[in-house]
Amino acid sequence: GEDVEQSLFLSVREGDSSVINCTYTDSSSTYLYWYKQEPGAGLQLLTYIFSNMDMKQDQRLTVLLNKKDKHLSLRIADTQTGDSAIYFCAEILFEGGADGLTFGKGTHLIIQP
Amino acid sequence: DAGVTQSPTHLIKTRGQQVTLRCSPKSGHDTVSWYQQALGQGPQFIFQYYEEEERQRGNFPDRFSGHQFPNYSSELNVNALLLGDSALYLCASSPELRAYNEQFFGPGTRLTVL
Repeated sequence: GEDVEQSLFLSVREGDSSVINCTYTDSSSTYLYWYKQEPGAGLQLLTYIFSNMDMKQDQRLTVLLNKKDKHLSLRIADTQTGDSAIYFCAEILFEGGADGLTFGKGTHLIIQP
Repeated sequence: DAGVTQSPTHLIKTRGQQVTLRCSPKSGHDTVSWYQQALGQGPQFIFQYYEEEERQRGNFPDRFSGHQFPNYSSELNVNALLLGDSALYLCASSPELRAYNEQFFGPGTRLTVL
């Protein structure tokens, strides 16, 4: 397809791991990103991965990249109530020095006590 | 550092009117991008400004135009407003020289068209 695709909702218990999945569109994408949006707020960059990497870990966050399947995932270990937000996958393809991001529709992460 | 700031925070207009939204980039950033986020959707790229010129444009009609000033701040103008233009408009800034292109987003302007 032509869109960055994500599941709309994910519900997890507090303390469990959350895995948010994304399928992106362009195998030539240079960077892939995960952004977090809390209610009434702008977007906060959580982490990114360069296209020549398979995995990146940053504290509780682990990003896995499968270039063959154009699949990106974000794992949040020990999910806390403060992780409740909408998570957006985004890709970028540098063209002529410009770099507009293409976003998915976002995954609502719901934390159960 | 104030980060990316946008004004106004909320705006209500009627169909056919024109609107101007403003953005001040993060200190040290010279590139400004604008995004439209409709309710329940991800942000969609409108355009990007660098050195006071539009460098890249997404799939938006000419009713959407912009400007960048010498101090790197930017305006987004929308003419002949439609109901479908109701959305959160996000501004993002980034430095031209960057390793991984982190775009810093402002809190957005909520535009309602009646």
